[in-house]
Amino acid sequence: AQTVTQSQPEMSVQEAETVTLSCTYDTSESDYYLFWYKQPPSRQMILVIRQEAYKQQNATENRFSVNFQKAAKSFSLKISDSQLGDAAMYFCAYSFNTDKLIFGTGTRLQVFP
Amino acid sequence: DGGITQSPKYLFRKEGQNVTLSCEQNLNHDAMYWYRQDPGQGLRLIYYSQIVNDFQKGDIAEGYSVSREKKESFPLTVTSAQKNPTAFYLCASSQGGTNRETQYFGPGTRLLVL
Repeated sequence: AQTVTQSQPEMSVQEAETVTLSCTYDTSESDYYLFWYKQPPSRQMILVIRQEAYKQQNATENRFSVNFQKAAKSFSLKISDSQLGDAAMYFCAYSFNTDKLIFGTGTRLQVFP
Repeated sequence: DGGITQSPKYLFRKEGQNVTLSCEQNLNHDAMYWYRQDPGQGLRLIYYSQIVNDFQKGDIAEGYSVSREKKESFPLTVTSAQKNPTAFYLCASSQGGTNRETQYFGPGTRLLVL
């Protein structure tokens, strides 16, 4: 069965510093997609970044980048120059088939001034 | 503005009562999804629909029902058979319903049992 594991329930970072959130997944498929979603206190899920498994190049979106290690089944999110507005729950998600996103349990990120 | 709307924001259910959560999208997306979020857990799929008049069960469909009579609407009914309905419910949609498509989420509905 496909599973997504986020082993860090909580992380903290100082404003302007860099933080990395970890995610591992288990799958036997070769073609799939990975996502990081942000859930701020408003609780609306917002897409941060996505990665296609067939692409070797790591995805980047402004201050957000991923380290995708396909063989290790690892998909970490790096947030550079952290801002107070980055404080939120972050969920890693995996998609193989048309029917579902499989989510991890989330990492709560606190940002201190 | 294009987006996904969910209503109400808060909903209270009495024992034995069915309640319906609304989800509407004006993104012209084909696929729509319902997820449930419990504290300390990620989202779990309840039902999804890739096309009008068709839908499939997700991982936790028991005690829930849906309909997809219009492309833009995908209401979720929480029936009295759902014994633990207190949770945060999120609706999502995607362009084509394949794993290539990003799912976009609505603001959610919090359901509480009285």
